[in-house]
Amino acid sequence: DTEVTQTPKHLVMGMTNKKSLKCEQHMGHRAMYWYKQKAKKPPELMFVYSYEKLSINESVPSRFSPECPNSSLLNLHLHALQPEDSALYLCASSQVGELQYFGAGTRLSVL
Amino acid sequence: DQQVKQNSPSLSVQEGRISILNCDYTNSMFDYFLWYKKYPAEGPTFLISISSIKDKNEDGRFTVFLNKSAKHLSLHIVPSQPGDSAVYFCAARNQAGTALIFGKGTTLSVSS
Repeated sequence: DTEVTQTPKHLVMGMTNKKSLKCEQHMGHRAMYWYKQKAKKPPELMFVYSYEKLSINESVPSRFSPECPNSSLLNLHLHALQPEDSALYLCASSQVGELQYFGAGTRLSVL
Repeated sequence: DQQVKQNSPSLSVQEGRISILNCDYTNSMFDYFLWYKKYPAEGPTFLISISSIKDKNEDGRFTVFLNKSAKHLSLHIVPSQPGDSAVYFCAARNQAGTALIFGKGTTLSVSS
């Protein structure tokens, strides 16, 4: 099983809403990642969790708040987003330093 | 400044011919390179990788070549098939091994 499951697949939210993106893997991976991808751009790293601890935050605005409740789950809490935050949000997992496996992403639209 | 560059946004190839996708990088400390393939509405899927201690890695129809002195790698697909039509991302693993740095991608279209 090399599956990384992301929910929801699509999300539309207003600028005052609070929502969460979820990511789950059962491969025993101890590193999990959030990437943001805008149209016709490469995925850009946002956060890295290693052994359930936040190890990298690529200067992401505080309106994005990651959470890693356990080694299989990764959440991204969203609050007071801007329209320019509309993008595809990708989750990935790996053994630390090894090949990353990606989920299908959540397509987020902020109105 | 982009550390991983894919200078060709698109490539069109006929079925059965060779597809060559190119990638350049600037950081000589990168030690591992990967190619991912992405279909619309899906996440990137791993295709093939190469360590900096090698200059070639082959897997079926896919071969990746690494030229460290030129800081250049290329992905060869032979023979190309219509199902290969997708966006191909080149990625380099950062020195700490904690994240991937992606190029902008090349859209490959294989016509039958």
